[in-house]
Amino acid sequence: AQKVTQAQTEISVVEKEDVTLDCVYETRDTTYYLFWYKQPPSGELVFLIRRNSFDEQNEISGRYSWNFQKSTSSFNFTITASQVVDSAVYFCALSEAFSGGYNKLIFGAGTRLAVHP
Amino acid sequence: DAGVIQSPRHEVTEMGQEVTLRCKPISGHNSLFWYRQTMMRGLELLIYFNNNVPIDDSGMPEDRFSAKMPNASFSTLKIQPSEPRDSAVYFCASSLGAGGDYGNQPQHFGDGTRLSIL
Repeated sequence: AQKVTQAQTEISVVEKEDVTLDCVYETRDTTYYLFWYKQPPSGELVFLIRRNSFDEQNEISGRYSWNFQKSTSSFNFTITASQVVDSAVYFCALSEAFSGGYNKLIFGAGTRLAVHP
Repeated sequence: DAGVIQSPRHEVTEMGQEVTLRCKPISGHNSLFWYRQTMMRGLELLIYFNNNVPIDDSGMPEDRFSAKMPNASFSTLKIQPSEPRDSAVYFCASSLGAGGDYGNQPQHFGDGTRLSIL
């Protein structure tokens, strides 16, 4: 069965520190998709990135970077030089679109990141 | 570009009342999802529509919950009668496509409706 585990419930850092949010997933499919979403204190869910299972290339977008490793079933998210505006709950999610029939998202429990000035 | 639009943003009502939540998906998206978010259970998928047709309603908690999508630009989630345990944030999301090659299509979420049943 598919599952997403975000073992870190809460992380607290001081501004400018680097922080990595862990995501470990379980799936029996060979084709699947991984996502990260951000939920700031205002409550909306914001799409950050998607990855397919055939693309293990790491990605960098500004201060954000993502490390996908199939060998360890992990899709970790790093924020470099964190800022107060990065304070949010971050969700990792898995989609098994082929076997599941549609892009149903299985969400992790989320990691609450607090960045202090 | 307009995102997913939900209304109302907040709803406070008394137990036993009917509650209707509304959603307008992103234009051109043919998949629509309703989620519920609580501290205890996290984000749960309630129902999924594709081309206005309910495909997967296995997450709908009980008969008090119903959802409709009369056209491509509007969906409702109704709770009747409402109970205090229905208090949660309800999200609507939309995406292009569905399964297969569309599986990598991200879902775009509305701002949510914070529902409080007293």
